[in-house]
Amino acid sequence: KNEVEQSPQNLTAQEGEFITINCSYSVGISALHWLQQHPGGGIVSLFMLSSGKKKHGRLIATINIQEKHSSLHITASHPRDSAVYICAAREGNQFYFGTGTSLTVIP
Amino acid sequence: SAVISQKPSRDICQRGTSLTIQCQVDSQVTMMFWYRQQPGQSLTLIATANQGSEATYESGFVIDKFPISRPNLTFSTLTVSNMSPEDSSIYLCSVGGPPGGYTFGSGTRLTVV
Repeated sequence: KNEVEQSPQNLTAQEGEFITINCSYSVGISALHWLQQHPGGGIVSLFMLSSGKKKHGRLIATINIQEKHSSLHITASHPRDSAVYICAAREGNQFYFGTGTSLTVIP
Repeated sequence: SAVISQKPSRDICQRGTSLTIQCQVDSQVTMMFWYRQQPGQSLTLIATANQGSEATYESGFVIDKFPISRPNLTFSTLTVSNMSPEDSSIYLCSVGGPPGGYTFGSGTRLTVV
């Protein structure tokens, strides 16, 4: 069993749609990270959460510590949001990575 | 947060050869991490590199195959030695820690033929 499970694995949306990606984890965490991986392989850190909710532009990340669950929401999705989104649970400096959600936003 | 320059961005290599990947950070950092992402898989930590000491390798990774250098607080290299097609992956470096967060490099997409 993986320490971090993401769903869905693949997601196709029309431009403008509201998108939700879910993440469940089974380890105790220092923080939960959401990462964005571009087609070339580079990774950008979107959020680091230890409780509650964070918002950055059209991106919102929430976490429920009791339920060991986090969600990443994208409002008014755009084709430039197309990427792989990775959830990672961190315990100290130890990361447990999900396998990612591949998002394609169609114009 | 720190900015990382990772080189090369991609390479196609012959089996049996070696490739050295470089990560340059714009600020001094204590710990640097090297990851591998095999096709369709999640990231896996190869090793943690601290300046002035031997890198600490995770289970399944050995120094002879993935030698790491960390000559100062802003630079590290990872070498993939005696490559085989199974080494075809994306390799990433990362730095950081609380409270500032973590930064990842732009990745090196390696194809071994």
